Amino acid sequence: SQQGEEDPQALSIQEGENATMNCSYKTSINNLQWYRQNSGRGLVHLILIRSNEREKHSGRLRVTLDTSKKSSSLLITASRAADTASYFCATDAWNTDKLIFGTGTRLQVFP
Amino acid sequence: SQTIHQWPATLVQPVGSPLSLECTVEGTSNPNLYWYRQAAGRGLQLLFYSVGIGQISSEVPQNLSASRPQDRQFILSSKKLLLSDSGFYLCAWSIRTSGIEYFGPGTRLTVT
Repeated sequence: SQQGEEDPQALSIQEGENATMNCSYKTSINNLQWYRQNSGRGLVHLILIRSNEREKHSGRLRVTLDTSKKSSSLLITASRAADTASYFCATDAWNTDKLIFGTGTRLQVFP
Repeated sequence: SQTIHQWPATLVQPVGSPLSLECTVEGTSNPNLYWYRQAAGRGLQLLFYSVGIGQISSEVPQNLSASRPQDRQFILSSKKLLLSDSGFYLCAWSIRTSGIEYFGPGTRLTVT
């Protein structure tokens, strides 16, 4: 399947530390997105990076994309307890209107 | 601004009972609509998506069906629920050109 794989599955850090999550996917893409999900809630879109971009920033978020390795990383700098959530990468399925979501990384930030 | 509604928020149903979950979107026209299921602590499984009224694509053969009777309404149904239908059901919409999906608050379904 084209489903992305996130790594690690779970991550625990202290407030102020940086959190890095990785995503690998299997087929060609137009873009890759990252979403956040608080426990028991819907997903919220964080950032989109296109296949011709290598790095993108949004506030404390930094996303990189390496299409040759079919991988992406999400870096959250200076983490806060409120960043505690699950994070998912999603890739567009070529020439369709669907997204393929990864398995997610559960991030726990301790105050 | 656009808003997506899902109801009910939680539902407990016995095995063999019917199901109807509704999702509506406000503030946009001709959205793509999606139904996902999420098992506890797991990723999202795309169940159905729709690019227009009456147009439904099924991703996974199963005990569920979907309908889109109006442009901004998407319904997930089952005639007879199974225990394996338990999960967290999420509806989402997108504008075709953006590729970004916007999710509803979800419905927690427990089949007993």
